[in-house]
Amino acid sequence: AQSVTQLDSQVPVFEEAPVELRCNYSSSVSVYLFWYVQYPNQGLQLLLKYLSGSTLVKGINGFEAEFNKSQTSFHLRKPSVHISDTAEYFCAVSNQAGTALIFGKGTTLSVSS
Amino acid sequence: DAEITQSPRHKITETGRQVTLACHQTWNHNNMFWYRQDLGHGLRLIHYSYGVQDTNKGEVSDGYSVSRSNTEDLPLTLESAASSQTSVYFCASSAAANYGYTFGSGTRLTVV
Repeated sequence: AQSVTQLDSQVPVFEEAPVELRCNYSSSVSVYLFWYVQYPNQGLQLLLKYLSGSTLVKGINGFEAEFNKSQTSFHLRKPSVHISDTAEYFCAVSNQAGTALIFGKGTTLSVSS
Repeated sequence: DAEITQSPRHKITETGRQVTLACHQTWNHNNMFWYRQDLGHGLRLIHYSYGVQDTNKGEVSDGYSVSRSNTEDLPLTLESAASSQTSVYFCASSAAANYGYTFGSGTRLTVV
């Protein structure tokens, strides 16, 4: 079975600062990894995904994530955040056989001016 | 455009009542999922389906049931609503494991 740990429940940052949201996963088999974003009172939207190949994955809105197999991590980064990036961010994992996504508990990113 | 819709958006019900939350997708996805979202718990999987007549239990399935009679719909039924089932419920669909999920806008259920 897979599991996901998001290491920070809340991350406050100032506008235009860089940010990293940390995600570790546990699995005995090869996995697919995802980051989703949830804006207030909305559903979840896919930011980016890692399936295979290059360990640096680029997504929408200037976000990127790096897959590190030895560290079993998939941290999300953005070099310069905007107020509009304020949202809840979820890391998720599934195995490559296609089991249902398992989500972390979420990280609240709060960007202030 | 294809979409996934949940109804109702908000519902208040009484303890012990049977409640059904609807999920309809026009993506023609075989895979459909129900999650509940609670503060401090993230999203937890309730039930899922990989095709017509296929249903599977997730991490928190007790007190919930689903049925899949066609590709487009996966209704979620609370057999006898309990206050612990007050939550925001999300339906999702996908074509395959490596595609990621498309989520509905959620149903906020309050059991009083």
